[in-house]
Amino acid sequence: EAQVTQNPRYLITVTGKKLTVTCSQNMNHEYMSWYRQDPGLGLRQIYYSMNVEVTDKGDVPEGYKVSRKEKRNFPLILESPSPNQTSLYFCATGSSSQPQHFGDGTRLSIL
Amino acid sequence: KQEVTQIPAALSVPEGENLVLNCSFTDSAIYNLQWFRQDPGKGLTSLLLIQSSQREQTSGRLNASLDKSSGRSTLYIAASQPGDSATYLCAVRFDNYGQNFVFGPGTRLSVLP
Repeated sequence: EAQVTQNPRYLITVTGKKLTVTCSQNMNHEYMSWYRQDPGLGLRQIYYSMNVEVTDKGDVPEGYKVSRKEKRNFPLILESPSPNQTSLYFCATGSSSQPQHFGDGTRLSIL
Repeated sequence: KQEVTQIPAALSVPEGENLVLNCSFTDSAIYNLQWFRQDPGKGLTSLLLIQSSQREQTSGRLNASLDKSSGRSTLYIAASQPGDSATYLCAVRFDNYGQNFVFGPGTRLSVLP
């Protein structure tokens, strides 16, 4: 079964405390990406990766980092989280550079 | 700046009705357009992908059309069912926007039994 697994699903933390949201896929897809979803703003792309060690910025990359050391994993790193990064985050994977499979989301609250 | 809009924002219909959801985009130079559904508390599920060279795609009761020149796509749902209740989003990959996808705000559909 095709799976995109995000962890944690929910997190409440404080400003400035580094955190990592993990994303793992079992489909051997080369393309992976991160989105945030905010009321009134919809889904916006943060970063994407076309393959191992190949990453690029999306629409809203400020305050985020990513890495792609293995094909199956694409963690999202917030080095110094701030309240404006409170959001619902989705990881997606796909073939042919298209997001086809999404994780169930990670709800982050930064106090 | 490329933008994607969707009308209506919300729609409520009785079961069995045929319905149309609309997606508009500001730049006709697109690579492809994709329709998704999102259930509460879940991620997105890809429904249909239309390449720029195609006019429509069909999957079961769903049919999506693309008119690049007018900057529009429609998602037609035939014989709607309560299980179709969800938020439907379209996402556009523009030609000059790299691998970025611009999502519309979505249409929240409720199909009443």
